[in-house]
Amino acid sequence: AQSVAQPEDQVNVAEGNPLTVKCTYSVSGNPYLFWYVQYPNRGLQFLLKYITGDNLVKGSYGFEAEFNKSQTSFHLKKPSALVSDSALYFCAVRGTGGGFKTIFGAGTRLFVKA
Amino acid sequence: DTGVSQNPRHKITKRGQNVTFRCDPISEHNRLYWYRQTLGQGPEFLTYFQNEAQLEKSRLLSDRFSAERPKGSFSTLEIQRTEQGDSAMYLCASSTGPPNEKLFFGSGTQLSVL
Repeated sequence: AQSVAQPEDQVNVAEGNPLTVKCTYSVSGNPYLFWYVQYPNRGLQFLLKYITGDNLVKGSYGFEAEFNKSQTSFHLKKPSALVSDSALYFCAVRGTGGGFKTIFGAGTRLFVKA
Repeated sequence: DTGVSQNPRHKITKRGQNVTFRCDPISEHNRLYWYRQTLGQGPEFLTYFQNEAQLEKSRLLSDRFSAERPKGSFSTLEIQRTEQGDSAMYLCASSTGPPNEKLFFGSGTQLSVL
């Protein structure tokens, strides 16, 4: 069965500091991995994805994520946080071992303090 | 690209009533997904269509829930005999599938069952 774990309900960082939002997963077959962001009163927006290739993927708004197959992790990172990055972040996965659904984690609220 | 459109934005109903939601995906997207999201949780997969075929449905989904995509364009999600536990945000997403795999989400329909 597919699953996604986001171990932190909330991450607090100061503006200008690096941020990391953690994600681990379990799938059948190879993983397709995603990060989505949800701002207040707005729909879910795609940030970045890993399908194949380079383990470090870059996405929107300066975010990047590193795929680590041995640790089954796909942590979201940004070198310098902005107050405007404060939002709810969801890690998601789809396995190639069967099925079409993309499974989402419970979400991590990022709070960036000025 | 006009985005994924969902109607209505809000629906308040009494327990036991039937409700129907509509989703209009991005026109060139052949894949359509329904998710349910409750406060503090990530989106929960409900069902998936490829064109007009419903290819996957959550095993956790009650028989009171049914979805259609009659001509492979818009989709409807019907909940019969609503219960208070059905109160949630119902999200629709569409995609082109491989190799992109990126989901485009609508703003959702917020259902409140009194």
